[in-house]
Amino acid sequence: DTGVSQNPRHKITKRGQNVTFRCDPISEHNRLYWYRQTLGQGPEFLTYFQNEAQLEKSRLLSDRFSAERPKGSFSTLEIQRTEQGDSAMYLCASSMGPNNEQFFGPGTRLTVL
Amino acid sequence: GQQVMQIPQYQHVQEGEDFTTYCNSSTTLSNIQWYKQRPGGHPVFLIQLVKSGEVKKQKRLTFQFGEAKKNSSLHITATQTTDVGTYFCAGPRERAGKSTFGDGTTLTVKP
Repeated sequence: DTGVSQNPRHKITKRGQNVTFRCDPISEHNRLYWYRQTLGQGPEFLTYFQNEAQLEKSRLLSDRFSAERPKGSFSTLEIQRTEQGDSAMYLCASSMGPNNEQFFGPGTRLTVL
Repeated sequence: GQQVMQIPQYQHVQEGEDFTTYCNSSTTLSNIQWYKQRPGGHPVFLIQLVKSGEVKKQKRLTFQFGEAKKNSSLHITATQTTDVGTYFCAGPRERAGKSTFGDGTTLTVKP
């Protein structure tokens, strides 16, 4: 399968714990995006990378969220000191460039108890 | 910041009826993309429109981009049960690097 993959698919954690998600984009794609989606809403932009450079981070994102793409390939999204409001589906997408279609992964569903 | 609104939020139709969803941006868009998300799935790209007034067709689906590049529509002719899902529009404002998604229109089709 050469699509976008995300791991884990599901994560249940207790409030206050740290969690890390991984995204493996399509190999030739230089753009990688992270979104958060809750029920009944569209994907909400979190951050994006061009190769290894993080070009923009949503102002809605607190300092508890951090993302990396160290070698311009896979990316990780870490949430520190999770809160119940962080419960959502976290989607990763990749694209060839800024105006190209985005290919989404299956998402990681986070539940914070 | 940029806002993208979609109406209606929900649409229930009888199989064979037509369906239209509308997308409006608070800012001029450099392009508009449409995605479909099936229940339990992830968004899947349908099409991209770039030019002012552009119209594109994919079988029973017709997509339009407004003259001012601030609105768009998706029309489905003679809906089928396979059309069920949520349809999202997304677009970057001009010279922006990221797209803003609308909250989608969820279509249900009664056989």
